[in-house]
Amino acid sequence: SQKIEQNSEALNIQEGKTATLTCNYTNYSPAYLQWYRQDPGRGPVFLLLIRENEKEKRKERLKVTFDTTLKQSLFHITASQPADSATYLCATTRNRDDKIIFGKGTRLHILP
Amino acid sequence: DGGITQSPKYLFRKEGQNVTLSCEQNLNHDAMYWYRQDPGQGLRLIYYSQIVNDFQKGDIAEGYSVSREKKESFPLTVTSAQKNPTAFYLCASFRGNGYTFGSGTRLTVV
Repeated sequence: SQKIEQNSEALNIQEGKTATLTCNYTNYSPAYLQWYRQDPGRGPVFLLLIRENEKEKRKERLKVTFDTTLKQSLFHITASQPADSATYLCATTRNRDDKIIFGKGTRLHILP
Repeated sequence: DGGITQSPKYLFRKEGQNVTLSCEQNLNHDAMYWYRQDPGQGLRLIYYSQIVNDFQKGDIAEGYSVSREKKESFPLTVTSAQKNPTAFYLCASFRGNGYTFGSGTRLTVV
């Protein structure tokens, strides 16, 4: 069956360092991969989308990579700040009209 | 500002009761979705609607019902047939690159 996996353990990163989160998928060939941020008790907020023919996408301090050979996406936050602490979800879909599958999310703590 | 409004924020249900969660959007999006989120779990799709007067079951539709009479509104009813309804419910709409989510309704069975 189609699976999308994220590190279930929380990630602790020192303020100012780069945080890197991983999203792996199996039995699946997504055309798009998305990243969301979710704060406790709130709905997820869309951050970035990367297409299968794109290697990298950037937005301010955020960078996403998409490696279809490794079946993996990496999400980087550079110059991390305590305000970046949240749960980050990845999601994939085969095409724009298809159902989106979400990972369980990785909780990120940026330590001051 | 455009967005999705879910209400209420907290809802308590007695055993055997049906309850309805509201979801309204002013984004003019055709597609709307209901997800359920449990602690430590990913989002699971309950129902979705691509267009007015049409909706499809998601992965965990049993014990739930929806309607889509207006483009702006996609209410979810949690029926007494749903045996474990305590969860965080999220409504979303989609157009373009990503979902826009509401702020969620936390449903608790008492």
